[in-house]
Amino acid sequence: DSGVTQTPKHLITATGQRVTLRCSPRSGDLSVYWYQQSLDQGLQFLIQYYNGEERAKGNILERFSAQQFPDLHSELNLSSLELGDSALYFCASSSRRAGTGELFFGEGSRLTVL
Amino acid sequence: TQLLEQSPQFLSIQEGENLTVYCNSSSVFSSLQWYRQEPGEGPVLLVTVVTGGEVKKLKRLTFQFGDARKDSSLHITAAQPGDTGLYLCAGLHYFGNEKLTFGTGTRLTIIP
Repeated sequence: DSGVTQTPKHLITATGQRVTLRCSPRSGDLSVYWYQQSLDQGLQFLIQYYNGEERAKGNILERFSAQQFPDLHSELNLSSLELGDSALYFCASSSRRAGTGELFFGEGSRLTVL
Repeated sequence: TQLLEQSPQFLSIQEGENLTVYCNSSSVFSSLQWYRQEPGEGPVLLVTVVTGGEVKKLKRLTFQFGDARKDSSLHITAAQPGDTGLYLCAGLHYFGNEKLTFGTGTRLTIIP
């Protein structure tokens, strides 16, 4: 158990819909990262928050947005969903703002868009 | 753009054999991490290497960071079924903001 909690574990929805994925980081971790993992793309970095503020942005589509709340949990919002958005979405947390610190991953949210 | 290429993509070997997995890039990284991911779970950190040429051992696993800090290898001696999983390298580099970039992954299966 990494201490990172993600909900829901599985989600099936239709194209054009909007979903919200939730992440609770390990106790005391201020950094939250979101990654997308699909079969043909590996693990792609989407976005990082540190203590409520966006710190780094990766290949995140404009249809996707995220935020980190004062209690440090984070949400990833995916809108106007397309078939290609079907993937595993991982949240990871770290105690560090940046650098070589270990990332602790949740078990992921599997999104299926039909 | 995938900056870290891992090879082989898939590897299936018998228990007791040795194997090496490679992680290559044209970019220089300040550090590199290796993770193992099992089905239904998130990746778990195995090791972080920071210095060019650094070698770290974790039981039967040996990790090496290239001298130029552009590549890394993972060698497993006497593979066990418990070594089965997806092995991911991840490099930390600076693009204004630091971010960790993951490799394409090597899916390893150890046959009992």
